[in-house]
Amino acid sequence: AQKITQTQPGMFVQEKEAVTLDCTYDTSDQSYGLFWYKQPSSGEMIFLIYQGSYDEQNATEGRYSLNFQKARKSANLVISASQLGDSAMYFCAMRERPNQFYFGTGTSLTVIP
Amino acid sequence: ETGVTQTPRHLVMGMTNKKSLKCEQHLGHNAMYWYKQSAKKPLELMFVYNFKEQTENNSVPSRFSPECPNSSHLFLHLHTLQPEDSALYLCASSQEWGAYNEQFFGPGTRLTVL
Repeated sequence: AQKITQTQPGMFVQEKEAVTLDCTYDTSDQSYGLFWYKQPSSGEMIFLIYQGSYDEQNATEGRYSLNFQKARKSANLVISASQLGDSAMYFCAMRERPNQFYFGTGTSLTVIP
Repeated sequence: ETGVTQTPRHLVMGMTNKKSLKCEQHLGHNAMYWYKQSAKKPLELMFVYNFKEQTENNSVPSRFSPECPNSSHLFLHLHTLQPEDSALYLCASSQEWGAYNEQFFGPGTRLTVL
């Protein structure tokens, strides 16, 4: 089974609107970490936000927030007030103890002016 | 230089060639990683080095040989590659492997095997 599932291969959003990128994960561990990364066309992965499995509050970093629903095993990324520079691939990832790090297949986001 | 750098950015090689990819991090981190990113597939973790010791080798074929001479440098030596090895190879670093630290990535090396 896939450890990380991102069901939206491509998404479009109007500039200044909010967008939600979906991510579900599969683990039987109690302790794990969830990450979102952005990959522009230049290739490098840029860390956006982190959520620990024991964190009770949803993580927020500027315009990024993570909608963490532990019972549903989902960790959706919400980008508020989209900007043209947000156009990129977005990857959800999970760190499982002891020694593994899994990425999803990514969602391509296009921000429309 | 800051962050994580990788050289070369692009590499084309034949199946009989031997080449090396280089990664350098300027963040004072203790863990470094090699990932393979193929089209339409999830990023695959290949190798993990923590404090210069290899801690993970995720069933990577022996034609890929990593080397970590110190905490700032990581190499991936390539020999007798196959066309299906063509991919973007990303290097990353983090404070250490055992904790939930975010990883910082380099720009990648786009490898084409003919």
